[in-house]
Amino acid sequence: AQRVTQPEKLLSVFKGAPVELKCNYSYSGSPELFWYVQYSRQRLQLLLRHISRESIKGFTADLNKGETSFHLKKPFAQEEDSAMYYCALESGGGADGLTFGKGTHLIIQP
Amino acid sequence: DAGVIQSPRHEVTEMGQEVTLRCKPISGHDYLFWYRQTMMRGLELLIYFNNNVPIDDSGMPEDRFSAKMPNASFSTLKIQPSEPRDSAVYFCASSSPGYGDQPQHFGDGTRLSIL
Repeated sequence: AQRVTQPEKLLSVFKGAPVELKCNYSYSGSPELFWYVQYSRQRLQLLLRHISRESIKGFTADLNKGETSFHLKKPFAQEEDSAMYYCALESGGGADGLTFGKGTHLIIQP
Repeated sequence: DAGVIQSPRHEVTEMGQEVTLRCKPISGHDYLFWYRQTMMRGLELLIYFNNNVPIDDSGMPEDRFSAKMPNASFSTLKIQPSEPRDSAVYFCASSSPGYGDQPQHFGDGTRLSIL
């Protein structure tokens, strides 16, 4: 069975500091990995996906199959980055539900 | 497109009552998912449909939970009878992988409180 682990429930950093939200997964096949973000009082929305290899709002995430990780990084945190971040895995090429980690609450202090 | 629409946004009811949550997926999406979010367990997949047919309901916690999708534009998640431990935020999401690697689009969720 697949599993997604986000070891930090809460991460607090100062504005301008680097941010890294950890995500590890277990899955026997080739996973598709995503980061979703939920800002206060807003719906869950896609932040980025590993196959796109894109940078969204300054965030990047690299899939490391050797370490089975998909950590989310941003070099300089901004206050508007404060939100809940969920790492998610999809096994079926879009035809299965997502397996989510339990989320990390990121707080950016001024 | 207004996105995935869920109703009601909030529901407060007494234990033992029947609860019905509703979802309208994005037009043209052929997959619909129901998730539950709690502090203890995070986001869990309950059930999903493809072309209105339930594909995997292994995440449905008990027989008290049931979900239907009578047509491509509407789905319900029903809890009967409800219990306090069912209190959570329930999300509906839809997707259309047939058009490429599309991510799932989520609704605003229904915050359910069972007293």
